[in-house]
Amino acid sequence: GAVVSQHPSRVICKSGTSVKIECRSLDFQATTMFWYRQFPKQSLMLMATSNEGSKATYEQGVEKDKFLINHASLTLSTLTVTSAHPEDSSFYICSARGAGGTGELFFGEGSRLTVL
Amino acid sequence: AQSVTQLGSHVSVSEGALVLLRCNYSSSVPPYLFWYVQYPNQGLQLLLKYTSAATLVKGINGFEAEFKKSETSFHLTKPSAHMSDAAEYFCAVSPRQGNLIFGKGTKLSVKP
Repeated sequence: GAVVSQHPSRVICKSGTSVKIECRSLDFQATTMFWYRQFPKQSLMLMATSNEGSKATYEQGVEKDKFLINHASLTLSTLTVTSAHPEDSSFYICSARGAGGTGELFFGEGSRLTVL
Repeated sequence: AQSVTQLGSHVSVSEGALVLLRCNYSSSVPPYLFWYVQYPNQGLQLLLKYTSAATLVKGINGFEAEFKKSETSFHLTKPSAHMSDAAEYFCAVSPRQGNLIFGKGTKLSVKP
């Protein structure tokens, strides 16, 4: 199946700094990518939908100025957590859907962010 | 609007026993349905999917699920649990090309 790679898998940063997480589709072109946040022992919460070449669509309650999403190519989307605070610590997961197909999403391995 | 309900946040079975994880959905249009598995600190891996073909869907690792429109269900089963099946399982529904809507997940524990 299609492969989606996320990097870094783990990152620790100081409060107030910014962190960038990359999501790449390795063997297919992803016109749409999704960014999720997962709190411990909970389900995935959709943060935003990223469409190649256009602005991301954010879910209600997600601060677009804090969680910057860029989808500049058909194989790469990035999530930047700006001015991170301890409450931003979480597991962030991206997924991608290729053109066509049956609605299936391919998920990255996830990125564990810890803000000190 | 679509929604997914997973009955039971935690299911525990003995090794070799039947695994049954329940999922009911709500959808105003014919849905696509999915089961994903998540191991600790990892992303989600697709187990199987229903896309309006055969109602009994076979997936990886011996899992299968049956789409029952009359019951709006898509329960996940495996005849014999292995220790390696211990993980979090998510049922999801999709309005075709839209986003996936996930259930809250069911943690499966397998006892030796």
